[in-house]
Amino acid sequence: DAKTTQPNSMESNEEEPVHLPCNHSTISGTDYIHWYRQLPSQGPEYVIHGLTSNVNNRMASLAIAEDRKSSTLILHRATLRDAAVYYCILRGTSYGKLTFGQGTILTVHP
Amino acid sequence: DAGVTQSPTHLIKTRGQQVTLRCSPKSGHDTVSWYQQALGQGPQFIFQYYEEEERQRGNFPDRFSGHQFPNYSSELNVNALLLGDSALYLCASSTRGGYGYTFGSGTRLTVV
Repeated sequence: DAKTTQPNSMESNEEEPVHLPCNHSTISGTDYIHWYRQLPSQGPEYVIHGLTSNVNNRMASLAIAEDRKSSTLILHRATLRDAAVYYCILRGTSYGKLTFGQGTILTVHP
Repeated sequence: DAGVTQSPTHLIKTRGQQVTLRCSPKSGHDTVSWYQQALGQGPQFIFQYYEEEERQRGNFPDRFSGHQFPNYSSELNVNALLLGDSALYLCASSTRGGYGYTFGSGTRLTVV
């Protein structure tokens, strides 16, 4: 499985934008970039995914570099509820397993 | 619409015993995967079931086995429990061609 690299932790203030980076220099042409987050005492939650183009949904935006070797998850206005571990995952097929790394622990300050 | 339901939520077992964990997938989902999450780590893939067969398996010993029923629900069985099996066990469901998994809240297994 292609590997992703994320910072161990990041901090933000409430109502400010948050940019969570992910490096995936060995990504293959068919790998989708998925983001999940895990709130305390819960299972992971799907956030967003993309292949080449930037993507937006009600939760977040995903910006993908032109060479696809990195991506950024953007939370436009962080809330206290967004404090979680964020995982960047490469997935080769629509039904393939998810390979989680350590993720980024996001702390949101009031 | 109920999401993924796992039972029990917590469980304490003695080393050497056997345990069965249960999962009901989200309505409309036909594929179930199981993950093990040790404290402070990301979830690790155990195996995936589709059409009542194991389709993919992670790097886990044969002590870990599973089953999927015709109604798509699933069980995870672990034999000869070790202290190192203490973890949060997560069930995730999806459709075969779907892009995202829905996870349950997990079963916290403690082996003493």
